[in-house]
Amino acid sequence: NAGVTQTPKFQVLKTGQSMTLQCAQDMNHEYMSWYRQDPGMGLRLIHYSVGAGITDQGEVPNGYNVSRSTTEDFPLRLLSAAPSQTSVYFCASNPANSYNEQFFGPGTRLTVL
Amino acid sequence: SQQGEEDPQALSIQEGENATMNCSYKTSINNLQWYRQNSGRGLVHLILIRSNEREKHSGRLRVTLDTSKKSSSLLITASRAADTASYFCATDGAGGTSYGKLTFGQGTILTVHP
Repeated sequence: NAGVTQTPKFQVLKTGQSMTLQCAQDMNHEYMSWYRQDPGMGLRLIHYSVGAGITDQGEVPNGYNVSRSTTEDFPLRLLSAAPSQTSVYFCASNPANSYNEQFFGPGTRLTVL
Repeated sequence: SQQGEEDPQALSIQEGENATMNCSYKTSINNLQWYRQNSGRGLVHLILIRSNEREKHSGRLRVTLDTSKKSSSLLITASRAADTASYFCATDGAGGTSYGKLTFGQGTILTVHP
């Protein structure tokens, strides 16, 4: 199993551009989440999903959209990139019948100029 | 808002020594988890302790939980240079299913010198 995969690994955007960060998992996990990691702030939850067609906001959802059309994929869209969205983004998944131990992808390092 | 506060922010020790990291949190929890992050990589789950447990072991890891003080500690015994990483605590809130949502602390950077 590949686990949780994320693409791209690195991305540089200009202010105002849009893009989609991809996340896929091959473990048939029901739950998927997006976090951002900023220096000295740990990880903060952006959006999460409990299954295909169901998403909800986390702690810092502004400026991001998500959708979940399949169990495997959970893309994160930046609508109009801002320098404040410069961060490392992590996707995670876990099965519903668990204690929420999460499996993380390798991350996408995004810089917004 | 950040649920967990970790201390120390950074810890530097020699190989063979023990490393202790602490985590405090604010609200009731179902469980508390510890993750490791090597530089530039994703987080890896280490160990989970449920709210009705007080201590748990896994290899060289020992986790304690004191729900009355809302705090946890992670002890790594006989540390190795390969243990050099950032360590994060994460809480899974109480009050029903949290749907995979965890609240992370700010992390402790551990450096183990050979």
